[in-house]
Amino acid sequence: DTGVSQNPRHKITKRGQNVTFRCDPISEHNRLYWYRQTLGQGPEFLTYFQNEAQLEKSRLLSDRFSAERPKGSFSTLEIQRTEQGDSAMYLCASSSHRSDFTGSEQYFGPGTRLTVT
Amino acid sequence: ELKVEQNPLFLSMQEGKNYTIYCNYSTTSDRLYWYRQDPGKSLESLFVLLSNGAVKQEGRLMASLDTKARLSTLHITAAVHDLSATYFCAVDDGGATNKLIFGTGTLLAVQP
Repeated sequence: DTGVSQNPRHKITKRGQNVTFRCDPISEHNRLYWYRQTLGQGPEFLTYFQNEAQLEKSRLLSDRFSAERPKGSFSTLEIQRTEQGDSAMYLCASSSHRSDFTGSEQYFGPGTRLTVT
Repeated sequence: ELKVEQNPLFLSMQEGKNYTIYCNYSTTSDRLYWYRQDPGKSLESLFVLLSNGAVKQEGRLMASLDTKARLSTLHITAAVHDLSATYFCAVDDGGATNKLIFGTGTLLAVQP
């Protein structure tokens, strides 16, 4: 396995358009995270999946954002009616359960850089 | 709410010099991670610190964790230009999801 992959790597869109990003985690990892990183800042948590269940969403995730993980494998993050403030790097990470059922180290994908014009 | 602070935010240093980056966090956690990020790239894992007193070293970088003081340090020894990057510490929030709370990062520029 080559690690976490994300597509597309770059996306330029006009304000008001919808965009969808995809994340393929490491195959044996059942935990999947989405983070958002704006310029000059550290990544901020958006949402978390355990298998196919979305178990936590940040207050940053407005109702224009929706994420899915059908069948507990790849995940998609959709942003509807994009705004300029959505311009950021969107990072996906995956991890597995530790023996005590807490999370192991998170491995990050290359990210999708979104620019809203 | 867990908050993570790093300092300094920017560090310009000469090759061959030593320096330390500090990471303070506000609530109890026993898992801390250090990542490196090059411009326009994703996060590269450097160290995973899982217990009080943990110390790990890789090359010119050494990280330590003091959970009682809620402090981690990343020490750079005899810096070289290739270490120029942004360094983030991230703390496991200890909740059911183990999401990470990141510091604001330290931009390190090593000058020849």
